[in-house]
Amino acid sequence: GENVEQHPSTLSVQEGDSAVIKCTYSDSASNYFPWYKQELGKGPQLIIDIRSNVGEKKDQRIAVTLNKTAKHFSLHITETQPEDSAVYFCAASMGGTYKYIFGTGTRLKVLA
Amino acid sequence: NAGVTQTPKFQVLKTGQSMTLQCAQDMNHEYMSWYRQDPGMGLRLIHYSVGAGITDQGEVPNGYNVSRSTTEDFPLRLLSAAPSQTSVYFCASSYSAEKGNTIYFGEGSWLTVV
Repeated sequence: GENVEQHPSTLSVQEGDSAVIKCTYSDSASNYFPWYKQELGKGPQLIIDIRSNVGEKKDQRIAVTLNKTAKHFSLHITETQPEDSAVYFCAASMGGTYKYIFGTGTRLKVLA
Repeated sequence: NAGVTQTPKFQVLKTGQSMTLQCAQDMNHEYMSWYRQDPGMGLRLIHYSVGAGITDQGEVPNGYNVSRSTTEDFPLRLLSAAPSQTSVYFCASSYSAEKGNTIYFGEGSWLTVV
């Protein structure tokens, strides 16, 4: 079946450094790729998304890139801060359906 | 602005018991869904609904039942709880059943089956 692979599963960075999380999807019909941040004890919250007709999108310290040919997309966080520590999930829409497939999550720790 | 509200937040059940997780949204969203979150497995879709009176199965539907009698509510029923259903459950909703609309999640319901 269709799936989304997410790497790494854990990531530790020093405050101020950049963090990169990568996802690969299998459904060539996927056309919407959101990223969610989940803090401890909370539900996931959308932080940025990208559609298949765009290669890159930026929102302050957060950016997402998409390579449709290679079927992968990445989340980039620059100038990381302790409050960026959380679990991050990528997701891809399943073509022709109303469903999304989620990656397995990346636990990001920003060390002060 | 309540958004997506789930109750209860925490629940302990004995094997074989039944219960209902409640979910309500006040954003007039068409699309609602239930996910379970287990360590190392991300979010897996249990059931979803594209509108009142319409439901369909997701990736892991066995042991769960849903109904959608109103736009606002989408309860998830565990028919006969099993330890394998110990998980965190999230209800979610979005404006349209079309793919590519932002999904809003509730705060989660922590369920333990002993």
